[in-house]
Amino acid sequence: QVQLQESGPGLVKLSETLSLTCSVSGDPMTFYYWSWLRQPPGKALEWIGHVYYNGNTNHNPSLKSRVTMSVDTSKNQFSLKLTSVTAADSAVYYCARHPTVYNGLTDWGQGTLVTVSS
Amino acid sequence: DIQMTQSPSTLSASVGDRVTITCRASQSISSWLAWYQQKPGKGPKLLIDKASSLESGVPSRFSGSGSGTEFTLTISSLQPEDFGTYYCQQYNVYSWTFGQGTKVEIK
Repeated sequence: QVQLQESGPGLVKLSETLSLTCSVSGDPMTFYYWSWLRQPPGKALEWIGHVYYNGNTNHNPSLKSRVTMSVDTSKNQFSLKLTSVTAADSAVYYCARHPTVYNGLTDWGQGTLVTVSS
Repeated sequence: DIQMTQSPSTLSASVGDRVTITCRASQSISSWLAWYQQKPGKGPKLLIDKASSLESGVPSRFSGSGSGTEFTLTISSLQPEDFGTYYCQQYNVYSWTFGQGTKVEIK
């Protein structure tokens, strides 16, 4: 059974870059899409974007200019970088997996809280 | 963006009750809709895919229906372990969007 685990700094300074990694175990990364999502405290989920195992990406247009996603199948990891963060970027960040873009998100990590502060 | 509106926002019901949650899309999404259950401190769990397809391992008391702009998630007989927050999500059009959630409490 696949397991996903987010990792990265829990505190990021205002205007700096948020960097997270999702480590995947239990299943190869090939032929799957790998998504990032976030959930501000007490608020709904927001999809950030996904990266296919071959490196192709698609982003939420509201974040596109600040988001970079990449995948390293040799390390069983994929990553997220979000530049120029503000307090509005404080949230629990989740990584997730889905088999196609016409499926829901079938497997999720536990989430990691990132707080943006000055 | 397609807006997803869930109702009610909170629901309190007794064990054994039939529970229905509604999700409306601001434009047609065909059947490209998923339902998730989230418990505190955990990532969401996919319950229903493509509006009505029950995920493997999910109890049969959960069911989904609808197409176009109106969808429902039904729990036929609420169990104590069904507490949590339920979200709908459309994946018809980028960017994917979620409803604001329905918190289910057990009386």
